[in-house]
Amino acid sequence: SQKIEQNSEALNIQEGKTATLTCNYTNYSPAYLQWYRQDPGRGPVFLLLIRENEKEKRKERLKVTFDTTLKQSLFHITASQPADSATYLCALDHNYGQNFVFGPGTRLSVLP
Amino acid sequence: EAQVTQNPRYLITVTGKKLTVTCSQNMNHEYMSWYRQDPGLGLRQIYYSMNVEVTDKGDVPEGYKVSRKEKRNFPLILESPSPNQTSLYFCASSFSGAGRNTIYFGEGSWLTVV
Repeated sequence: SQKIEQNSEALNIQEGKTATLTCNYTNYSPAYLQWYRQDPGRGPVFLLLIRENEKEKRKERLKVTFDTTLKQSLFHITASQPADSATYLCALDHNYGQNFVFGPGTRLSVLP
Repeated sequence: EAQVTQNPRYLITVTGKKLTVTCSQNMNHEYMSWYRQDPGLGLRQIYYSMNVEVTDKGDVPEGYKVSRKEKRNFPLILESPSPNQTSLYFCASSFSGAGRNTIYFGEGSWLTVV
């Protein structure tokens, strides 16, 4: 069956450290994978997109990798800050882009 | 300002009383979609629309209807709401359904069915 998993439901790290979040998928063949940030009670907000033929993408303190062999994406936040505390969702397209499927999310807490 | 607007934001209703949650986007997007979000289950797609008059079921369509008569609007209809439809609902839009496009979400509609 098709499945998307994100490493852990919650992740606590110390301010200044690098947070690494994992997204694994089964029985999908996405052409694109996206990462979103969601604050409590708010809609998800787009962060980064990576294509299947890209290994890595960066945006300021954010870095995403995409390994289609392992069926995994890693999302890194370097020099993390308490303001980075939120739930992070990975999403991938399937059915030739007609559907977007979201992972369950990882709730990140950056402790001062 | 690029926006996806949902109404109402909060609603408590009774079982069986038909309700409509409206969604409107101002970005001329072709693709629109409805999700529900429940604790431990994440975001699940209810229905989506690739363009005007084109709609299709997502992963959890039972108990819902949608229509897409205009490009900017995509209402979600609960003909006979039941308590298991108590959830946080999000409308979303994108330039097209292709995964290369950013998905814009509304602020969410909290629905409680008693």
